[in-house]
Amino acid sequence: GQGVEQPDNLMSVEGTFARVNCTYSTSGFNGLSWYQQREGHAPVFLSYVVLDGLKDSGHFSTFLSRSNGYSYLLLTELQIKDSASYLCAVRMPNYNVLYFGSGTKLTVEP
Amino acid sequence: DAGVTQTPRHEVAEKGQTIILKCEPVSGHNDLFWYRQTKIQGLELLSYFRSKSLMEDGGAFKDRFKAEMLNSSFSTLKIQPTEPKDSAVYLCASSLEAGGGQNTLYFGAGTRLSVL
Repeated sequence: GQGVEQPDNLMSVEGTFARVNCTYSTSGFNGLSWYQQREGHAPVFLSYVVLDGLKDSGHFSTFLSRSNGYSYLLLTELQIKDSASYLCAVRMPNYNVLYFGSGTKLTVEP
Repeated sequence: DAGVTQTPRHEVAEKGQTIILKCEPVSGHNDLFWYRQTKIQGLELLSYFRSKSLMEDGGAFKDRFKAEMLNSSFSTLKIQPTEPKDSAVYLCASSLEAGGGQNTLYFGAGTRLSVL
């Protein structure tokens, strides 16, 4: 909803990296968050970006380009336990509302 | 642990029934959200409260969905009457809005609703 798009699935290999893409075309923008959701569990906050560029947080890094309506979550040195769905969410101005994409299911193979 | 608590964890309803889902936010949080999650649509916003006031009611969900927050520590979501297409996981989340900057949503474990 609200024009937040993510690919449905992504596969990668243990020890390598994975880039989860998110594009948005919302009526407003006041930051973008990433959440991890394991099967059968609630989403858990990972990262928040509001300025353009790369934010390096170790295992998880996030990139934002506001002019292109684009963000990605980069996971490095993948582990099997990184297999989960990754949700991006755009925060709207004025209120605290987050509009989520439908999530990308990442599968990390041995 | 004083996270977001949702009850029940599972609910099975017949078509046309009324069901009420419950949520207790994190103590001290002033924002509360109800979302519905399905594999096809992902997370859809149903309602948003700030300091118990309804700020957004999720447009398309107005007719059969009603969320209330009678006090700062308890919210309900009523679905009346239920339809099979309402089968989904209903997630409640809370956050502390401190003015600008990141707002981390803390989610409950959700209520899985099945409407027969």
